[in-house]
Amino acid sequence: AQSVTQLDSHVSVSEGTPVLLRCNYSSSYSPSLFWYVQHPNKGLQLLLKYTSAATLVKGINGFEAEFKKSETSFHLTKPSAHMSDAAEYFCVVSWNSGNTPLVFGKGTRLSVIA
Amino acid sequence: DADVTQTPRNRITKTGKRIMLECSQTKGHDRMYWYRQDPGLGLRLIYYSFDVKDINKGEISDGYSVSRQAQAKFSLSLESAIPNQTALYFCATGQGNQETQYFGPGTRLLVL
Repeated sequence: AQSVTQLDSHVSVSEGTPVLLRCNYSSSYSPSLFWYVQHPNKGLQLLLKYTSAATLVKGINGFEAEFKKSETSFHLTKPSAHMSDAAEYFCVVSWNSGNTPLVFGKGTRLSVIA
Repeated sequence: DADVTQTPRNRITKTGKRIMLECSQTKGHDRMYWYRQDPGLGLRLIYYSFDVKDINKGEISDGYSVSRQAQAKFSLSLESAIPNQTALYFCATGQGNQETQYFGPGTRLLVL
């Protein structure tokens, strides 16, 4: 079955330090991969997406992610955390064949400590 | 104006009551989705529709029904609400598997 795993349910970093949120997906042909962010009491907003172009994808607010096919991973990174980055982050996968809907990871809550 | 709107934003109801959550979009997208979010479980798909004549069950459709009244409108009904349907519900729209989904602000439902 298609699946996506976010390896940490909660990550806590200090302001100004790097952020790493990990995501692995089950092996498949040509997936599309997304990261969404949800700030408290808000809907979900797209951070970035990979759709078989460049493997290093840059998103909004300084975030980026690298698609590594050999590791079936799509980890999200940011060089320096800001207080406003505190939110829930979701890794999402779509298999491009057919009309299979998106599959969401369970989410990683990012806390940023001053 | 928001591209995807949901009404109501908050709702408290009692066990056994029928309720409807509504979603409207101005994106012009064919595809619409209903998800529920529970702490620690992420988003789970309830129903989805690829066009007005197409309705599909998602991962957790039991206890729910939907209606696609028009391209822009997709409503979710709980025929007889139960407490474990207490959750945050999101509507989303999109154009295809590689395309971004756009989410509404959510409806927070409490079933007593």
